Amino acid sequence: NAGVTQTPKFRILKIGQSMTLQCTQDMNHNYMYWYRQDPGMGLKLIYYSVGAGITDKGEVPNGYNVSRSTTEDFPLRLELAAPSQTSVYFCASTRTGAASGANVLTFGAGSRLTVL
Amino acid sequence: AQSVTQLGSHVSVSEGALVLLRCNYSSSVPPYLFWYVQYPNQGLQLLLKYTSAATLVKGINGFEAEFKKSETSFHLTKPSAHMSDAAEYFCAVSDLDTGNQFYFGTGTSLTVIP
Repeated sequence: NAGVTQTPKFRILKIGQSMTLQCTQDMNHNYMYWYRQDPGMGLKLIYYSVGAGITDKGEVPNGYNVSRSTTEDFPLRLELAAPSQTSVYFCASTRTGAASGANVLTFGAGSRLTVL
Repeated sequence: AQSVTQLGSHVSVSEGALVLLRCNYSSSVPPYLFWYVQYPNQGLQLLLKYTSAATLVKGINGFEAEFKKSETSFHLTKPSAHMSDAAEYFCAVSDLDTGNQFYFGTGTSLTVIP
């Protein structure tokens, strides 16, 4: 059971370039999330998805786009990379309906992006 | 929206000493509460969670946390620190009605001194 898989692990981009961070989960989770982590700032939610075909903005969506064509995949697209997007990006997922009500997030290992 | 405050962005303890990492939440209605740990160059892993079943919650690796409604706190403790406990720790909450929106604190970096 692989859990949540993110690729690439590291990437250096030039200003204005575009790229897609890939995220795949094999747990049949309905909810998926993208967070960015910056030093001293904790995790900020970029976008999330409640299921295939449904996405919504989080706290810091500007400069990013997502799609959710399947339950398993939730790619994050950066269209015009800017230095402010230098960060570590985490994909996470959860299945709703836990008996206790407390759904637990499963995280990928992260993707470190540098924009120069 | 919910918010979480972690007091102390860096905490240092000696090996074998008590670990205390502080977390306070903002909601007037107790939400679901979590502690996650992040080891270097890894994603976050669940340490423990509070779901109102018990105020003292035991997690993995000897960690536990106590929910105190009167103090709106959910501090993380471990009686005796081990070198392997050195990591970043995040407190998080999720709302009661859906349980699908998560709010994270800014994290506390724990250093264990040999």
